[in-house]
Amino acid sequence: DTAVSQTPKYLVTQMGNDKSIKCEQNLGHDTMYWYKQDSKKFLKIMFSYNNKELIINETVPNRFSPKSPDKAHLNLHINSLELGDSAVYFCASSPSGGNQPQHFGDGTRLSIL
Amino acid sequence: SQQGEEDPQALSIQEGENATMNCSYKTSINNLQWYRQNSGRGLVHLILIRSNEREKHSGRLRVTLDTSKKSSSLLITASRAADTASYFCATDSYGQNFVFGPGTRLSVLP
Repeated sequence: DTAVSQTPKYLVTQMGNDKSIKCEQNLGHDTMYWYKQDSKKFLKIMFSYNNKELIINETVPNRFSPKSPDKAHLNLHINSLELGDSAVYFCASSPSGGNQPQHFGDGTRLSIL
Repeated sequence: SQQGEEDPQALSIQEGENATMNCSYKTSINNLQWYRQNSGRGLVHLILIRSNEREKHSGRLRVTLDTSKKSSSLLITASRAADTASYFCATDSYGQNFVFGPGTRLSVLP
């Protein structure tokens, strides 16, 4: 069973559209994260939720809105997509926040046309 | 600049050789972690070393931490083609979010 799964794996869409990426973890972890990896492989944290509550919200445009219906799910909704949003988005989870090792999904490659 | 920065950016070695990657950081840390990323996949956690530890081993991996120099190294011994991947260090610091470096791309040639 995949520990952290995110869908879709690929997302190709046009500028201005709204899209969502879903993430689920079956590890029983309390904390989940969204990261953005750009074309140069820099990986930057966007959001972190602990037991459905937002604990990290980096300087991310408010077009990005995370939603955690329960502690096993953290979805990412993006409004009015822009060319600069093209990247690979990774979901991750850890037993709790802080210094715990994180488990990553395989990423969603978002391409904006 | 990045809190954690790996060097070299890219490394190419022959199978069987050892590979050493370095990570430097700027502020005091709670711990430092190394991750591997295979092409098209997510990151996989390799080793966590705490600020009061100097060396840790896991199989063919050896990680050292020098807090006085604010640096860490990851040594992979007897490398295999399957070790080809990008390797990232990540630092956990007081009052800061988890920060990943830009990674070292390792190519192990058969």
